[in-house]
Amino acid sequence: DSGVTQTPKHLITATGQRVTLRCSPRSGDLSVYWYQQSLDQGLQFLIQYYNGEERAKGNILERFSAQQFPDLHSELNLSSLELGDSALYFCASSVSAGLETQYFGPGTRLLVL
Amino acid sequence: EDKVVQSPLSLVVHEGDTVTLNCSYEVTNFRSLLWYKQEKKAPTFLFMLTSSGIEKKSGRLSSILDKKELFSILNITATQTGDSAIYLCAVIKAAGNKLTFGGGTRVLVKP
Repeated sequence: DSGVTQTPKHLITATGQRVTLRCSPRSGDLSVYWYQQSLDQGLQFLIQYYNGEERAKGNILERFSAQQFPDLHSELNLSSLELGDSALYFCASSVSAGLETQYFGPGTRLLVL
Repeated sequence: EDKVVQSPLSLVVHEGDTVTLNCSYEVTNFRSLLWYKQEKKAPTFLFMLTSSGIEKKSGRLSSILDKKELFSILNITATQTGDSAIYLCAVIKAAGNKLTFGGGTRVLVKP
């Protein structure tokens, strides 16, 4: 158990809908990262927040957005969902703003029908 | 465009065998290379390598980085069935905090 929690574990929704994935980092970690893992694309970095501010951006679509709240938990919002958004979404956290030694949560499996 | 390529894609070995996994990269402003093990769900951190030629070791696992030839290897000796997993390598750039993952190597250790 990494200490990073993600909810929900599984999510099934329809195309065009909007969902919110939630992540609580390990106690004391200030950075939160979001990743998408699909069968054809592998593990892709989406975005990083550090202490409430966006720090780095990866391959995140415009339909996706994220934020980190004052209590350091983070939410990833996915809107206008498409079939291709079906994937495992991981959150990871680390103490500092660097990307080293990230601890991953168990992931949220999203299925868009 | 940054590239991280892992080989082989997958391999099957028997318990007790040694495996060597490769990760080659082409990135500008390289900072560090990380190895992760992914079993059923979330990747777990194994090693971070920043300097060439310095072996990192943890039990039966070891890894080394060659910054001149732009690759890293991960060795697992005396493999056990619990080593069955996908092994991922990722490269961090010095600028922009971007992390790029390779496609992974799937290792299956048979009893």
